[in-house]
Amino acid sequence: EVQLVESGGGLIQPGRSLRLSCAASGFIFNDFAMHWVRQAPGKGLEWVAGISWNGNDIGYVDSVKGRFIISRDNAKNSLFLQMNSLRSEDTAMYYCAKDWRSNYGALHIYGQGTMVTDSS
Amino acid sequence: QSALTQPRSVSGSPGQSVTISCTGTSSDVGGYNYVSWSQQYPGKAPRLIIYDVSKRPSGVPDRFSGSKSGNTASLTISGLQAEDEADYYCCSYAGTYSFYVFGTGTKVTVL
Repeated sequence: EVQLVESGGGLIQPGRSLRLSCAASGFIFNDFAMHWVRQAPGKGLEWVAGISWNGNDIGYVDSVKGRFIISRDNAKNSLFLQMNSLRSEDTAMYYCAKDWRSNYGALHIYGQGTMVTDSS
Repeated sequence: QSALTQPRSVSGSPGQSVTISCTGTSSDVGGYNYVSWSQQYPGKAPRLIIYDVSKRPSGVPDRFSGSKSGNTASLTISGLQAEDEADYYCCSYAGTYSFYVFGTGTKVTVL
């Protein structure tokens, strides 16, 4: 069974940093692209960042470019999101998502999410 | 990277069909056959129900179907059931460095 377990969420202070992690199991991790998707309270889904199976293709939504860094460790079946210069508008549930294919196709399986909340 | 446009809500009685539209541009929906749809219940993670415009992952009932014409994709739910009451989001591939863009979301209400 495919499982994605996010961790690292918590209270944030504007300007500070946070690192999210996603532990994957139940599939061949290095065969698939991986992504982070977020959902602000009461709002819709927003794709945040994505990385291809080998890390060669990386993309970000405009609002996080220059602040967030996505990375993966295929040896440890793990996905990460380094979040710097945090803003109150980054408050959201952050989901780790497995792609349907190695580079892109569709967001297939989601974890249960980790909440990032502005402390102010 | 503008969100794809979906109706805020649609409704139907049990057994009826409802269709949700998803309008983008030639840079996303119209440019690739990588449109997908996800279902989300309150407080739960999304679940993929349609990928590659019209394909269903295993376990998804065949009353869910997808299509695309130009820059607009559509999701049709036939034989509406109470359990179909949820939020639905379209999503399209948008290029190498943009990867994906979501729709604004549609709440389906079963009357």
